[in-house]
Amino acid sequence: AQSVSQHNHHVILSEAASLELGCNYSYGGTVNLFWYVQYPGQHLQLLLKYFSGDPLVKGIKGFEAEFIKSKFSFNLRKPSVQWSDTAEYFCAVNAPNTDKLIFGTGTRLQVFP
Amino acid sequence: GAVVSQHPSRVICKSGTSVKIECRSLDFQATTMFWYRQFPKQSLMLMATSNEGSKATYEQGVEKDKFLINHASLTLSTLTVTSAHPEDSSFYICSARDEGASGNTIYFGEGSWLTVV
Repeated sequence: AQSVSQHNHHVILSEAASLELGCNYSYGGTVNLFWYVQYPGQHLQLLLKYFSGDPLVKGIKGFEAEFIKSKFSFNLRKPSVQWSDTAEYFCAVNAPNTDKLIFGTGTRLQVFP
Repeated sequence: GAVVSQHPSRVICKSGTSVKIECRSLDFQATTMFWYRQFPKQSLMLMATSNEGSKATYEQGVEKDKFLINHASLTLSTLTVTSAHPEDSSFYICSARDEGASGNTIYFGEGSWLTVV
């Protein structure tokens, strides 16, 4: 079945460590890709998105993601995390020719000072 | 920026009763809204796509007679959980597509906690 996979379910880091969260999808064709963040007690917020063009996308709060078409991946990165980055991170794919956003299972990030 | 608002944020209802959750786009018009359900510590499951002026499109496995969706205006979609049961207790989230924004941006509401007792 077509899906979105986030292999890291729970990541624990110290402040200033580098972060990379994996996201793979199984849809063929042209897709739009998103990373959302959900801080504790808050609603989903868009971190960044990729529609076309430069496969390295820069988002808010120092996050970036790289679209690698050959690997069907859209990994999220941040060179130096902060305690305030503690949150749940969701990768999502806008499947071809649909309005639907299909979400991955999410990755819980805990950053300790 | 664009805001999507949900109401109520929390609701408790008795088994067998119905409860309505509203989703409003506050500063843009949305012909398409989406309803998701999120179980604790799990991802969002798309329930249905709400289309202004027409019937909603439900995902496989979602009971359309139980989860009634009405999208009567370009700024409001409602989800009514009918004959609620405890297993319907969940976090319901709506989103709306701002078609006027660059890249068709989707904004999410704050979510609504439903507890059925």
